[in-house]
Amino acid sequence: AQTVTQSQPEMSVQEAETVTLSCTYDTSESDYYLFWYKQPPSRQMILVIRQEAYKQQNATENRFSVNFQKAAKSFSLKISDSQLGDAAMYFCAYRSAMEYGNKLVFGAGTILRVKS
Amino acid sequence: DTGVSQNPRHKITKRGQNVTFRCDPISEHNRLYWYRQTLGQGPEFLTYFQNEAQLEKSRLLSDRFSAERPKGSFSTLEIQRTEQGDSAMYLCASSRGRLSYEQYFGPGTRLTVT
Repeated sequence: AQTVTQSQPEMSVQEAETVTLSCTYDTSESDYYLFWYKQPPSRQMILVIRQEAYKQQNATENRFSVNFQKAAKSFSLKISDSQLGDAAMYFCAYRSAMEYGNKLVFGAGTILRVKS
Repeated sequence: DTGVSQNPRHKITKRGQNVTFRCDPISEHNRLYWYRQTLGQGPEFLTYFQNEAQLEKSRLLSDRFSAERPKGSFSTLEIQRTEQGDSAMYLCASSRGRLSYEQYFGPGTRLTVT
C-alpha cells in the first residue's frame, strides 16, 4: 500500500518570502500522480498543483512550484512571494495511474501560517 | 458549474442513532468519492462510485456504513448505530472520469457523536 508522509506539522513564513513544504511517499509503482491540495480554514479543499511521475520537468503554477525527486520519492512544494491568503492546511496526495487507481492517499498535512 | 455540495454541513447525534449524509457532485462528473477526515489528519478514502456502481470500498468502511448512488447522480452515506469514533468530517469529491486528474471536493459534513 502507498503511504504519504509530511514531516512538518506546522510552518511559518513572512509575507512576500518563500517557503518549502516537504513530502515523501512510498510506492512500488512506477506510474502515478502527485498532488498538493490546499484546505483553508472552514473552506473546501482545492487543488494547488499536480505532477505526473513520468514527467521529469517539475510542475509550476504561478507562485507555486514543486521539486519532484522520483528516485528519492520526494515531492516538495515551494511557495514564492507568500501572501496572507496562502495560510491554510496543505496536503500532499498520491494517486496510482493504474486502471483501478482512483483514490487519493493523503499525508497528515502541514499548517502554513503567513505573518504580515 | 455550482461545485460539489454536501448536506447537512453539520450533524450532531447521540451514540447509537443512524445518520445519513448527502452529496451532490458536479453534474457532468461520473465519479464520486467519499473520504473521512479526523481532526489534524489528512482525508482517508472510504469508497468510490463510477456512475451508480460502487467499485471500491476501504476496509475503513465497516458494516455499519453504507453508501449508495442511485441513478448515478447524488450519493448518500449512511452510518448506522453511530459511535463516538465516527465523529469526523465526511468529505465528498467528484471527477469527470478516469483520465481526469482532479477531484473536486465539497465543503464536507461535520459529524459529532455525543
